[in-house]
Amino acid sequence: RKEVEQDPGPFNVPEGATVAFNCTYSNSASQSFFWYRQDCRKEPKLLMSVYSSGNEDGRFTAQLNRASQYISLLIRDSKLSDSATYLCVVRDSSYKLIFGSGTRLLVRP
Amino acid sequence: DGGITQSPKYLFRKEGQNVTLSCEQNLNHDAMYWYRQDPGQGLRLIYYSQIVNDFQKGDIAEGYSVSREKKESFPLTVTSAQKNPTAFYLCASRLGSREGSYNEQFFGPGTRLTVL
Repeated sequence: RKEVEQDPGPFNVPEGATVAFNCTYSNSASQSFFWYRQDCRKEPKLLMSVYSSGNEDGRFTAQLNRASQYISLLIRDSKLSDSATYLCVVRDSSYKLIFGSGTRLLVRP
Repeated sequence: DGGITQSPKYLFRKEGQNVTLSCEQNLNHDAMYWYRQDPGQGLRLIYYSQIVNDFQKGDIAEGYSVSREKKESFPLTVTSAQKNPTAFYLCASRLGSREGSYNEQFFGPGTRLTVL
């Protein structure tokens, strides 16, 4: 079983749609959680950290459920520029980052 | 401009040759990392270094070597012992290196290595 699992997609949605991605992690001792965005053939960039109480940054909302060991990312009012791969990332107790394989999002006009 | 640079962007190597990938940062970050990414897969940690002159193996260190002689530089050598070296190699750095201190990892633009 992978340490961090994501649906690879692609999620193909129209502009303006709301889309949600889920991610599960296997290590209950994981310390911190993040969503990174990676454009095609580029490096990953931090989109947002995920806090226990849930957090929002503009059109993006992240939720964490420690009991079920899953993390979610909700994108509202999708833009064409949101098309990318979204990586779920977990920091373990040794301060290393564990990356999911990513969920690909395609936003169409 | 502050940031992380990796060179070259594209690299072609003949089978059996060693090759060194460069990673330099001028962010004054303590910790540096090397990952590889294969198509459809997440990043996997090769080596990391939390301070100068010290580094640890990651999850897939076999066939790779590193050095950390200067704070700003963390070169990765892909040796001929690495069986499947063709991949996208990403270097990252972050400010905090002590336990209890965690800061965002920033990534360089990556090097695409192809073994011919």
